[in-house]
Amino acid sequence: KNEVEQSPQNLTAQEGEFITINCSYSVGISALHWLQQHPGGGIVSLFMLSSGKKKHGRLIATINIQEKHSSLHITASHPRDSAVYICAVKRRGATNKLIFGTGTLLAVQP
Amino acid sequence: DSGVTQTPKHLITATGQRVTLRCSPRSGDLSVYWYQQSLDQGLQFLIQYYNGEERAKGNILERFSAQQFPDLHSELNLSSLELGDSALYFCASSETDFSTDTQYFGPGTRLTVL
Repeated sequence: KNEVEQSPQNLTAQEGEFITINCSYSVGISALHWLQQHPGGGIVSLFMLSSGKKKHGRLIATINIQEKHSSLHITASHPRDSAVYICAVKRRGATNKLIFGTGTLLAVQP
Repeated sequence: DSGVTQTPKHLITATGQRVTLRCSPRSGDLSVYWYQQSLDQGLQFLIQYYNGEERAKGNILERFSAQQFPDLHSELNLSSLELGDSALYFCASSETDFSTDTQYFGPGTRLTVL
């Protein structure tokens, strides 16, 4: 079983819909990252969370440390949001490496 | 633009060869991270350097090595290349090596081994 699981693996939405992508992890963490990877391959860091909730524009990320769960929400989705969204965690402890989920492929149709 | 640069963008080479990938971090960032993204394994952490010293090691093969130079740029050396080494290689940088630092990713180098 992967230490970081994302759901769904694939998601198709209509423009304007509210979207939720989930991430569950099984290890103790010091931080959780949400990343966005566009079809061209480039990766952008969207959020880094260690507790609570963060908002940036139409994107909202939440984390529940007790339940080992995080969600990424996109409000009023747009075709330009189409990308792969990747959850990654930093395990609490000595190492500083990121452990990645397998990603959620989002397609927003006009 | 993240401020992290990687060269080359694309690299095509043959099995058994050796290549060097280069990364320049954002101005002021002391940590550099290397990641490999392949179709079957997804994104995997390879290695981290902080201010010239190796700080963390992940799933990096013995055929691969890296270093960070005094000007903080980093190089990832891949030798005795195999078909399975074909992947996107990303470099990222962060200000320090705190676990809560945001990592800024470069555009990646696409390596194709024929």
